[in-house]
Amino acid sequence: AQSVSQHNHHVILSEAASLELGCNYSYGGTVNLFWYVQYPGQHLQLLLKYFSGDPLVKGIKGFEAEFIKSKFSFNLRKPSVQWSDTAEYFCAVNARTGFQKLVFGTGTRLLVSP
Amino acid sequence: GAGVSQSPRYKVAKRGQDVALRCDPISGHVSLFWYQQALGQGPEFLTYFQNEAQLDKSGLPSDRFFAERPEGSVSTLKIQRTQQEDSAVYLCASSLPRGQANEKLFFGSGTQLSVL
Repeated sequence: AQSVSQHNHHVILSEAASLELGCNYSYGGTVNLFWYVQYPGQHLQLLLKYFSGDPLVKGIKGFEAEFIKSKFSFNLRKPSVQWSDTAEYFCAVNARTGFQKLVFGTGTRLLVSP
Repeated sequence: GAGVSQSPRYKVAKRGQDVALRCDPISGHVSLFWYQQALGQGPEFLTYFQNEAQLDKSGLPSDRFFAERPEGSVSTLKIQRTQQEDSAVYLCASSLPRGQANEKLFFGSGTQLSVL
């Protein structure tokens, strides 16, 4: 069975600070990897995804993530955060074949102070 | 509509009461998923439909939970004899058929269920 671990449950940063959120997954086969974001009062939305190819993927709003296969990791990064990045971030994985069922991590709450 | 619509937005139920939660997916989306999100947790998979067929219900926590999608569009998640531990946000998501370009779930805003 697939599982996803997000080690940082709460992160507080000042504007312009750099961000890195950890994500590790466990699965015996080939996976697709995702980061979803939930802004306050809004629904979950896709930030970025990795299927294959270049392990460094770029998403919306200046976010990027790097897939390191040997570490089973897919960490999310942003060089300089803004107050508007305050949100909850979820890492997710699904198997490359079979059903599309997404398995989510427990999420990281990011608070960016102005 | 433009997105996935869920109703009601909030539901308060007395313990033992039955509830029904509705999901209107994006038109044309074949795949439909239900997730349960407890406070402070990530969404947990409940069940999956492809059109009207329920292909995976491995996440339903008990036989009090039942989901249907009779015409392959609107779906209803029913919880019988609600318990306090059922209190959570219930999320619905839809997507196009599986394919690399389609690997994106569109989520609704959820129904927040509180069982007293």
